[in-house]
Amino acid sequence: AQSVTQLDSQVPVFEEAPVELRCNYSSSVSVYLFWYVQYPNQGLQLLLKYLSGSTLVKGINGFEAEFNKSQTSFHLRKPSVHISDTAEYFCAVSEPSTLTFGKGTMLLVSP
Amino acid sequence: DAGVIQSPRHEVTEMGQEVTLRCKPISGHDYLFWYRQTMMRGLELLIYFNNNVPIDDSGMPEDRFSAKMPNASFSTLKIQPSEPRDSAVYFCASSFGLMNTEAFFGQGTRLTVV
Repeated sequence: AQSVTQLDSQVPVFEEAPVELRCNYSSSVSVYLFWYVQYPNQGLQLLLKYLSGSTLVKGINGFEAEFNKSQTSFHLRKPSVHISDTAEYFCAVSEPSTLTFGKGTMLLVSP
Repeated sequence: DAGVIQSPRHEVTEMGQEVTLRCKPISGHDYLFWYRQTMMRGLELLIYFNNNVPIDDSGMPEDRFSAKMPNASFSTLKIQPSEPRDSAVYFCASSFGLMNTEAFFGQGTRLTVV
């Protein structure tokens, strides 16, 4: 069974600064990887996904993530954040028969 | 399509009462998931269905919880009797396929048991 670890429960940054949200997973089989975003009082929305091919994946709102198989990581990055990026971000791993989410990282962007 | 629709959006009930949460998945999707979100435990998968059949209910916390999917367009999650520790946001999600596709989430039901 796989597990998903998001090491940071909260990441405070200033507007226009770069940010990286970390995600590590453990799995014995090939997986598909996702990042979802949850804005206040809403459900989760897909930011981006890695299925195969290029290890650098670009998503919506200027986010991108890099799949690193040797380090079993799928970190999310954005070169310059906006106030509107304040939300909770979830990493998720899909393998046969299940989809597992990390505990989430709250990104707090201040002026 | 209007997306995944959950009702009610908010529910406040007294301990011991029965609570029923409802979900309408996106038309054509063959997987439906129920998740529970709390500060302490994050997002937990409770149960999921494929073509209306429950596949994995290992996340259902105890016998007080039950879920049904009588047809492709409707599912319920029932808690009977409810307890204060059941207070959480419950999300329903649906997808077409399981592994390499996006799960679409409803806006959730915020349940408060007093």
